[in-house]
Amino acid sequence: DSGVTQTPKHLITATGQRVTLRCSPRSGDLSVYWYQQSLDQGLQFLIQYYNGEERAKGNILERFSAQQFPDLHSELNLSSLELGDSALYFCASSSPVGGANTGELFFGEGSRLTVL
Amino acid sequence: AQSVTQLDSQVPVFEEAPVELRCNYSSSVSVYLFWYVQYPNQGLQLLLKYLSGSTLVKGINGFEAEFNKSQTSFHLRKPSVHISDTAEYFCAVIKMNRDDKIIFGKGTRLHILP
Repeated sequence: DSGVTQTPKHLITATGQRVTLRCSPRSGDLSVYWYQQSLDQGLQFLIQYYNGEERAKGNILERFSAQQFPDLHSELNLSSLELGDSALYFCASSSPVGGANTGELFFGEGSRLTVL
Repeated sequence: AQSVTQLDSQVPVFEEAPVELRCNYSSSVSVYLFWYVQYPNQGLQLLLKYLSGSTLVKGINGFEAEFNKSQTSFHLRKPSVHISDTAEYFCAVIKMNRDDKIIFGKGTRLHILP
């Protein structure tokens, strides 16, 4: 058990819909990362938050948005869903020491999104 | 920008045989290097990491990796694999001393043959 909790574990929805994925980081971790994993693209970095503020952005589509709340949990919002958005979405957390990220991430078990 | 290349998408190996999973990286600055493992239907977990010091790093489950700066490689090895090592293995890199995004390779799927 990594200590990172993601909900829901599975989600099936239709094209054009909007979903929200939720992540609770490990206790005390300030950074939250979102990754998308698909068979053809591998593990793609989407976005990182540190203590409520956006820290780094990766290959995140404009239809996707995220935020980190004061209690440090994070939500990833996916809208106008397309078939190609079907993937496993992972949340990870870490606790940078002195502002420097040593790269040890703790991953949740993922949310599997299926868009029909 | 840094990048990570895992040369093999799949590696089949017989049980109790040795295995090496290859990883090469590219970066203009010093980096930290990692191997993560993803067992079926699970999230990723850290296998081992190189931050500094000895270039031979030992991790969990009998795995080890060697950092080679001149060849910009960080290959993962295990002398004798077990069926329970069936998983996908990801090499990752992050710029040293920066709170920056971690870049993952595309992964290598390890198939253990009986």
